[in-house]
Amino acid sequence: RKEVEQDPGPFNVPEGATVAFNCTYSNSASQSFFWYRQDCRKEPKLLMSVYSSGNEDGRFTAQLNRASQYISLLIRDSKLSDSATYLCVVNGGKLIFGQGTELSVKP
Amino acid sequence: DTEVTQTPKHLVMGMTNKKSLKCEQHMGHRAMYWYKQKAKKPPELMFVYSYEKLSINESVPSRFSPECPNSSLLNLHLHALQPEDSALYLCASSQVGEMDEQYFGPGTRLTVT
Repeated sequence: RKEVEQDPGPFNVPEGATVAFNCTYSNSASQSFFWYRQDCRKEPKLLMSVYSSGNEDGRFTAQLNRASQYISLLIRDSKLSDSATYLCVVNGGKLIFGQGTELSVKP
Repeated sequence: DTEVTQTPKHLVMGMTNKKSLKCEQHMGHRAMYWYKQKAKKPPELMFVYSYEKLSINESVPSRFSPECPNSSLLNLHLHALQPEDSALYLCASSQVGEMDEQYFGPGTRLTVT
């Protein structure tokens, strides 16, 4: 089993759609959790940290379920500029990246 | 300011060359990292420096040699690389340690010929 597993992509959605990414992790001792986005040929950029109580930043909502070792990211009202690869990242002593899920938002 | 800078942006080198990649941050972060990323793959951790001391070496071949001259700078010295070492090399930093949010530089795209 991979340490961090994400939904396989790509996700192709129309503008305005709601899209959800899921991620599971294997190390129950993991303590911090993040979503990064990476545009083609660019560096990963921190999108948001994920807290146990869940957190929201504008159109983006992240949830953490420690019991199920599951993290999610919801994007509402998707924009063309949301097209990117979304990386689930878990830290249990070092950052472990999921394989990433590619999102393509179409007009 | 969450900026990490890296130079050069692009580098082409032969297998017998010696070159260095440079990384700088002025956020007062005490942990710095080198990652390697191949196309369509996630970043892979190479080295971690914590308070200017090497704390993690992920079994990286000795042709890659990291150096941390001070708390703001991180170098990666390259020597006798192989074509399969061609990749995007990313530097990152975080406030104290590996549990904190990491901020990435734009990377150096390396091609070994």
